[in-house]
Amino acid sequence: AQSVAQPEDQVNVAEGNPLTVKCTYSVSGNPYLFWYVQYPNRGLQFLLKYITGDNLVKGSYGFEAEFNKSQTSFHLKKPSALVSDSALYFCAVSPNTGFQKLVFGTGTRLLVSP
Amino acid sequence: KAGVTQTPRYLIKTRGQQVTLSCSPISGHRSVSWYQQTPGQGLQFLFEYFSETQRNKGNFPGRFSGRQFSNSRSEMNVSTLELGDSALYLCASSPSRTSGGSTYNEQFFGPGTRLTVL
Repeated sequence: AQSVAQPEDQVNVAEGNPLTVKCTYSVSGNPYLFWYVQYPNRGLQFLLKYITGDNLVKGSYGFEAEFNKSQTSFHLKKPSALVSDSALYFCAVSPNTGFQKLVFGTGTRLLVSP
Repeated sequence: KAGVTQTPRYLIKTRGQQVTLSCSPISGHRSVSWYQQTPGQGLQFLFEYFSETQRNKGNFPGRFSGRQFSNSRSEMNVSTLELGDSALYLCASSPSRTSGGSTYNEQFFGPGTRLTVL
């Protein structure tokens, strides 16, 4: 069975500081890993994905994520946080097949203070 | 391209009723998936349809069903509603294809339908 864990319910960071939102995964085989962001009363917005290749994946809005196979982690990062980045962030894993089933983590609320 | 659209956006029903939610995927996307989001259970996969066939199913009772039409639009139906069915129901579409060695399977989500069961 596949699963992801987001160990932090909330992350607080000051605007302009770097941010990290943590995610670890458990899968059999090679994972497809994703990050999504959810703003209030909105659906999920795709940020980035890791399929294969470079361990550092760049995505939308200046976000990037680092895939670490030995630590089974896929942490989301941004060099300089904005107040507008405040939202709910979800890590997700998908089987390495054509089937479109995402297994989500519990979500991490990011709060960026001015 | 227009994004994923879901109708209605808000719905209030009473226990025992049934409800049908609709989803129109991004043009050209053949895969449509449905998810339930609740504060207690988080985001849970309901089912996926591809070319009018259910390709994958989550761990939900048979009261939850869906279908996909030839134009890739999808509907999900919940019969005999229970209070616990109150949730945000999200639809996502995906190209679900592999081309030139690249896999295009990221899912793009609609705004959701907020269902309240009284």
